[in-house]
Amino acid sequence: GAGVSQSPSNKVTEKGKDVELRCDPISGHTALYWYRQRLGQGLEFLIYFQGNSAPDKSGLPSDRFSAERTGESVSTLTIQRTQQEDSAVYLCACRQQETQYFGPGTRLLVL
Amino acid sequence: AQSVTQPDIHITVSEGASLELRCNYSYGATPYLFWYVQSPGQGLQLLLKYFSGDTLVQGIKGFEAEFKRSQSSFNLRKPSVHWSDAAEYFCAVDAGGGNKLTFGTGTQLKVEL
Repeated sequence: GAGVSQSPSNKVTEKGKDVELRCDPISGHTALYWYRQRLGQGLEFLIYFQGNSAPDKSGLPSDRFSAERTGESVSTLTIQRTQQEDSAVYLCACRQQETQYFGPGTRLLVL
Repeated sequence: AQSVTQPDIHITVSEGASLELRCNYSYGATPYLFWYVQSPGQGLQLLLKYFSGDTLVQGIKGFEAEFKRSQSSFNLRKPSVHWSDAAEYFCAVDAGGGNKLTFGTGTQLKVEL
C-alpha cells in the first residue's frame, strides 16, 4: 500500500515567516511522529501523537513549534517566525507493530 | 537518559569487501533496536530490527545485525558490499512503549569501485 507522504518536499522561506508542513500517514497507523534532522546530524524527536491521547510534545524546541493531528489522519507541523537555525529536514513517521516507517521528509531552508 | 553512539562518522570500503558499522546504546534494560538507511534526498528505510529472541537478525539487502547484551551493542554487518549500499546508516533505540526513537548521529558509507 501507499507509504507515508509529506508535502512540500522542499520549502524555502524568509526569516520571520511562518511555515506549515504536512504529513499524510499510512491508513490505519494510529501513532504518528515528527522528527527533525539537521545537516550532518541524527534525527531529533519533536512530537508524538497516539490516537485521542494528549500528544507528547516533549521534543519541541520552542513555543514557535506546534503540531496538530485530527483523528488518525493528516498532521501538520507549524513553525512560526522561522529562524535560520530551523533549517533542517523534517521527517514524519507512523508506527505499526512497534516499528516506525518514515516519509521522505520536507527540506526547509530559512534564508 | 538513553543514548546511542555510532563512533564512525565516515567509513570507506571497496566494493565486495565486508562491512561492519558499530552501534552502542546506553539504557538500563534491553530496548528495541533498529537500523535505518538513508540515501541522498530520501527518507529513512528500515533495514532490520531486534525486539527479542535470536540475537542475530537478518534484514533486507543482505544486511544482518547482532545484539550483544554484554557490550550494549547492535552492530550492522554485510559480507560483501555493493556500490548501491553507499548511503548514511542510522542506529536507533526505542526504550519501550512504542514511543520516540533515539537515533545515533549516523555513519556515512562510501563504496569505492
